Amino acid sequence: GQQVMQIPQYQHVQEGEDFTTYCNSSTTLSNIQWYKQRPGGHPVFLIQLVKSGEVKKQKRLTFQFGEAKKNSSLHITATQTTDVGTYFCAGFLFAGGTSYGKLTFGQGTILTVHP
Amino acid sequence: ETGVTQTPRHLVMGMTNKKSLKCEQHLGHNAMYWYKQSAKKPLELMFVYNFKEQTENNSVPSRFSPECPNSSHLFLHLHTLQPEDSALYLCASSQGDRAVDEQFFGPGTRLTVL
Repeated sequence: GQQVMQIPQYQHVQEGEDFTTYCNSSTTLSNIQWYKQRPGGHPVFLIQLVKSGEVKKQKRLTFQFGEAKKNSSLHITATQTTDVGTYFCAGFLFAGGTSYGKLTFGQGTILTVHP
Repeated sequence: ETGVTQTPRHLVMGMTNKKSLKCEQHLGHNAMYWYKQSAKKPLELMFVYNFKEQTENNSVPSRFSPECPNSSHLFLHLHTLQPEDSALYLCASSQGDRAVDEQFFGPGTRLTVL
C-alpha cells in the first residue's frame, strides 16, 4: 500500500538554528498537506501543496513540493521556542482511475528547541 | 478552538467494558474521520464517513464500531478492547473527502485499556 516516510524522527536544535523535515512517498501524490501538533494538542493544518515544484512560504516556514510530486520538505528558519511540536506531512493519493482517494500521514518529526 | 469537539477527553476502561467516544463538528462539513495515534507511530486512519456513508474501513478490528447518524456527529463504540488499543483517538472533519480538503481535528480522547 501507499506509504509516506518522514525523516528525521526527532530533531533537537538551539533557538535560532534552522530546521528541516523531509517527506517521501513511494508513489506520485495528488497533493501534500502539512500539519503541526503541539505537545498535548491535536494536529492543526498548516498548508497544502498541489503543483509540481511548488514553493510556499509562511513567515519563517518554507514548504516545497518536488518536481515528481513524490517528496516534500518543510524548512524553518531561525527556530523559536514556539516552534516546538510534531510536524506531519500527509500525502493524498487517488485510487487509480477514480475520484476516490485518501490522506496518508507520515510518522512525523518531533522538534524540540532549546532556548 | 477548531469547531470539532470530542468527549470524553480521557477514558479508562477494562477489557470487558463497553464505552463510546463522541465527536461533533460545528463547521458544516460533510466528511468525518476517526484516527488512532499511538506513541512512535504515524496517525492511523480508521474510518471515513462522507455524507453519513462509510467510505473507508482501514482493516479495523470489529471491536471498534463506528456510527454516523448525521453529518455533524460521529461515534466510536468500543467493546472487549485490548491493552494495545490504548492510544489517543482523534476525530477530524473536512468539507468533503476530496484531495484539496484540509482536515480539522478535535482535541482527542486519551484511552487507556487496563
